[in-house]
Amino acid sequence: DVKVTQSSRYLVKRTGEKVFLECVQDMDHENMFWYRQDPGLGLRLIYFSYDVKMKEKGDIPEGYSVSREKKERFSLILESASTNQTSMYLCASSSWGTGRGGETQYFGPGTRLLVL
Amino acid sequence: GNSVTQMEGPVTLSEEAFLTINCTYTATGYPSLFWYVQYPGEGLQLLLKATKADDKGSNKGFEATYRKETTSFHLEKGSVQVSDSAVYFCALKGSGNTGKLIFGQGTTLQVKP
Repeated sequence: DVKVTQSSRYLVKRTGEKVFLECVQDMDHENMFWYRQDPGLGLRLIYFSYDVKMKEKGDIPEGYSVSREKKERFSLILESASTNQTSMYLCASSSWGTGRGGETQYFGPGTRLLVL
Repeated sequence: GNSVTQMEGPVTLSEEAFLTINCTYTATGYPSLFWYVQYPGEGLQLLLKATKADDKGSNKGFEATYRKETTSFHLEKGSVQVSDSAVYFCALKGSGNTGKLIFGQGTTLQVKP
């Protein structure tokens, strides 16, 4: 059974703290993604990675960075957490496939982050 | 750029009612289209997909047809159950190999017994 796991389900941090969210997939997927989910806004892409050590900015990268040192692991870093980063964070992975489209993204259960 | 628009929710139905959740898209080229579902407290999971015009995706009694002429991918189910209560997201993947998805804002479905 395919699996994407995230390091925490719930997290409470203080403004200014450095926050690490980790994601691990066991499907040998090349692509990995970080989204945030907010009511009424759907999912917005923060960063993605299509290979080890490769990363590209998504739609809302400001205030975030990422790290992908190993194929199975993709970390999201909040350098200095702020209250407007309170959100649900979802990690996903997918294969390169044939490039013709249709590759499924598999999601983790999400981390609900509260920044006080 | 690419975008997805879903009907606003919440949608509240009685059990065994017919469900339609509208989804329209804007994209260049020939995108792939998806419906994902998020049950309470969980991440998203793929419900169905279609990769070319006139394809019909189906799963668990849900269906959606890729209509290029109306740029739509509406989700339908003939008879909903309480267990279908969830948030439904329409998404598209444009041309290219990056695998990036563009999501709609999500539609909450509540089914009452």
